[in-house]
Amino acid sequence: SQQGEEDPQALSIQEGENATMNCSYKTSINNLQWYRQNSGRGLVHLILIRSNEREKHSGRLRVTLDTSKKSSSLLITASRAADTASYFCATVATGGSEKLVFGKGTKLTVNP
Amino acid sequence: DVKVTQSSRYLVKRTGEKVFLECVQDMDHENMFWYRQDPGLGLRLIYFSYDVKMKEKGDIPEGYSVSREKKERFSLILESASTNQTSMYLCASRGRTGGYGTQYFGPGTRLLVL
Repeated sequence: SQQGEEDPQALSIQEGENATMNCSYKTSINNLQWYRQNSGRGLVHLILIRSNEREKHSGRLRVTLDTSKKSSSLLITASRAADTASYFCATVATGGSEKLVFGKGTKLTVNP
Repeated sequence: DVKVTQSSRYLVKRTGEKVFLECVQDMDHENMFWYRQDPGLGLRLIYFSYDVKMKEKGDIPEGYSVSREKKERFSLILESASTNQTSMYLCASRGRTGGYGTQYFGPGTRLLVL
């Protein structure tokens, strides 16, 4: 079952601009993770935010989490052409589930 | 760095063939996962394993089986391949973190069933 839903499905921006992707989910979570996938490749973990955290930074990445709205956002600042990829959010539900549930992803294109 | 490898990047098989997809991780992780990824559907969990010889069904196990004889290796088996199993298959592993940690992915196997 798909829990996370990313928005928008596709985003095209110019190099240097900021990119914001949103994720909504349905059930209570332990944590939410963001992954990146270059075309035709495996996923790479970017950042994990726990349910008791509201914001987290890693380099040019900023993730926010609003558990009351069951939503998260990923902001990439000063984007580069190399940031072109698909970005997925994934949730781990409370209750000790072993499973990550992925959304369908946002395809980001950064134009040079 | 964690390394997860998959036996093939591309595979072409015929309908009815038995297909083995192999995944190996080098970080002594307890948990391993098989997903398939299709356009518009995202990643869907097929099976996972939390220990040697242990397996659990994911969301779409029909038509698949798995084998975990050694800790580092997790195999996905298509007993009789069908065209609707044409997809990208991704393997992942995770250490024992109570179910809450990062998964590390292999590069994927793109399977075409003719």
